[in-house]
Amino acid sequence: SQTIHQWPATLVQPVGSPLSLECTVEGTSNPNLYWYRQAAGRGLQLLFYSVGIGQISSEVPQNLSASRPQDRQFILSSKKLLLSDSGFYLCAWSRQGAMNRNTEAFFGQGTRLTVV
Amino acid sequence: GENVEQHPSTLSVQEGDSAVIKCTYSDSASNYFPWYKQELGKGPQLIIDIRSNVGEKKDQRIAVTLNKTAKHFSLHITETQPEDSAVYFCAAAREYGNKLVFGAGTILRVKS
Repeated sequence: SQTIHQWPATLVQPVGSPLSLECTVEGTSNPNLYWYRQAAGRGLQLLFYSVGIGQISSEVPQNLSASRPQDRQFILSSKKLLLSDSGFYLCAWSRQGAMNRNTEAFFGQGTRLTVV
Repeated sequence: GENVEQHPSTLSVQEGDSAVIKCTYSDSASNYFPWYKQELGKGPQLIIDIRSNVGEKKDQRIAVTLNKTAKHFSLHITETQPEDSAVYFCAAAREYGNKLVFGAGTILRVKS
């Protein structure tokens, strides 16, 4: 079966510090990978998605970047955090759509990031 | 790109009553419409989905309807229970596309 791991679960970082959130998927290959942010009282905002190693699409201009160094690893980073980067970050995966009609997204447990 | 709007943002119902959440989408090429439920401190989980070749789908107390002409779809929960309290998200995607675009979410509170 497939599982998705996201860590850390909570993180408190000072303004101006770097960020690295990691997400890994097990039990599947060549997944689509996503980073979403959920700000307090707001919905899920798609930040980045990736259809393969080294292929990253950015949905919104921001202080964050993403990388996919391996097929099932997705990393969210920042060189200098801003207060506005606080939020709940969710990693998700889905099967590639070309050969499979199921585009369900499976989410990790999320990371609660507080920038102080 | 796709834009999904969801209403209402909060919904309170009495236990046993029905709850309806509505979404509209902008991309006429979207043909996959899932609904996710998010409990406190957890990631969202799929509860039901519908594809553009059907107008309605039911799963026990949950149903989803789709009107492709009007580009809107709705989630219906009947006989609500306290455990239905959560945040519900609608989403839209092209079936062979690479991403789901979510609505802003609805906080559902079921009062006992």
